[in-house]
Amino acid sequence: QVQLVQSGAEVRQPGASVKVSCKASGHTFTSYDINWVRQATGQGLEWMGWMNPKNGDTVYAQKLQDRVTFTRDTSISTAYMELRSLRPEDTAIYYCARGWTMTGSCSSTSCYNWFDPWGQGTLVTVSS
Amino acid sequence: DIQMTQSPSTLSASVGDRVTITCRASQNINIWLAWYQQKAGKAPKLLIYTASTLDSGVPSRFTGSGSETDFTLTISSLQPDDYATYYCQQYNSFPYTFGQGTKLDIK
Repeated sequence: QVQLVQSGAEVRQPGASVKVSCKASGHTFTSYDINWVRQATGQGLEWMGWMNPKNGDTVYAQKLQDRVTFTRDTSISTAYMELRSLRPEDTAIYYCARGWTMTGSCSSTSCYNWFDPWGQGTLVTVSS
Repeated sequence: DIQMTQSPSTLSASVGDRVTITCRASQNINIWLAWYQQKAGKAPKLLIYTASTLDSGVPSRFTGSGSETDFTLTISSLQPDDYATYYCQQYNSFPYTFGQGTKLDIK
C-alpha cells in the first residue's frame, strides 16, 4: 500500500523555521516526484513546489522561493520541507503528495504531475 | 501564472441529483487537469486526471470532460458520501495552480 506519512504538528514563533518530514512507503521513493501543498484554515490549496527525489532537482513557487527548501534522504525514503522566517500567515496544514505523470519526463515548463496519494498533513502554527 | 476559476463556489444539491462543476483555465492547458475531493479534516483525494481518466477505485458516477480551457466534473447521481469540497488543478506548467474550490452541501 502506497503511503506518505508526515511528521506531527509544530508551533513556532514568528521569524523561526520549521522542517516537516514526509516518509514514503509502498513504492520506490526515487521513482516518483514529490510536491508540497499548503492550506490555510478554511482556505483553498496552494502549491509550494516540486522535487525530483532521484536527483534533488526542485522548482519552488515564486512567492516562497526565498524562504523554502526541499531536501530528501533516499536511504530512509523521506522528503523534507523547510520554511524559514515564518510569519503568522504561514499558519496552515502542509501536505506532501506523490507526483504521477503520463509523459515520463519533464519539459522546460512542467513535469506534468497530478498528485496521488497525499500525506495526512502537518499543521504548522506560527504565533507569538 | 495560469489562473483556474471554478464555478459555482458553493452548490446545494439532494441525493440523486446530477451535479456539474466547471473549471476554466486562463490559458490553454491541453488535458493536463486533475480533480480532487476533500472532506473536512482530511487530505485531498484524487478523482480524475488528464481531464477525463477516472482514478482506480473512484465510482463511475464521477465523470470528467473538457480540454484546452474549459473543463467539467459531473456526478451523475449524488450519493451521501459525495458531500465535500472539490478542487481542479492544472499541471500544464509550473507553478501548478488550483481552483478556489466548490463546496457541495446538502440541500
